[in-house]
Amino acid sequence: GAVVSQHPSWVICKSGTSVKIECRSLDFQATTMFWYRQFPKQSLMLMATSNEGSKATYEQGVEKDKFLINHASLTLSTLTVTSAHPEDSSFYICSAIGLARSTDTQYFGPGTRLTVL
Amino acid sequence: GESVGLHLPTLSVQEGDNSIINCAYSNSASDYFIWYKQESGKGPQFIIDIRSNMDKRQGQRVTVLLNKTVKHLSLQIAATQPGDSAVYFCAENNAGNMLTFGGGTRLMVKP
Repeated sequence: GAVVSQHPSWVICKSGTSVKIECRSLDFQATTMFWYRQFPKQSLMLMATSNEGSKATYEQGVEKDKFLINHASLTLSTLTVTSAHPEDSSFYICSAIGLARSTDTQYFGPGTRLTVL
Repeated sequence: GESVGLHLPTLSVQEGDNSIINCAYSNSASDYFIWYKQESGKGPQFIIDIRSNMDKRQGQRVTVLLNKTVKHLSLQIAATQPGDSAVYFCAENNAGNMLTFGGGTRLMVKP
């Protein structure tokens, strides 16, 4: 199946720090990537949708200036949590839809756990 | 608003038994549904999908049933194994390939 990776898998930082999370599609080109946030024992909540070469579309209630998304290539999207605070601690998961794959099915990365002290 | 939800938050089954996880959806216009498995600390893993022009689809040990009349989706796992223990999410594919996830059902397999 399609492989999507994320880096780092776990990050702990101090309040006020900016953290960058990378999402890569390893064996396919991703036309669209999605970023989700998941709090403990809850379902995934879509944060934003990004298409290669264009600005991301953010869901209602998600601050675009706080969660910066860049999708500069067909295999890489990054999410930067700017000036992170303890309430930003969560499990961040990306997914991708590829050119050579089913145009409907999203393939998910392994997730990045962010802990803000 | 439109939503996808699950009836049971936790399902406990004996190893070797069959498991059935249910999901209700409310967007009658949805035409594509996916089941994902998520193990602790990991991202969701695609299990099986089904389009609205079908009412049943089978994979390896898994079957998805779709009842459009009552807007109900189910995942059946045959001969449940300890490795099947995880949280299972149904997801509804909306316009623009956006997914709406249900709340999740935790499957616990007892040896």
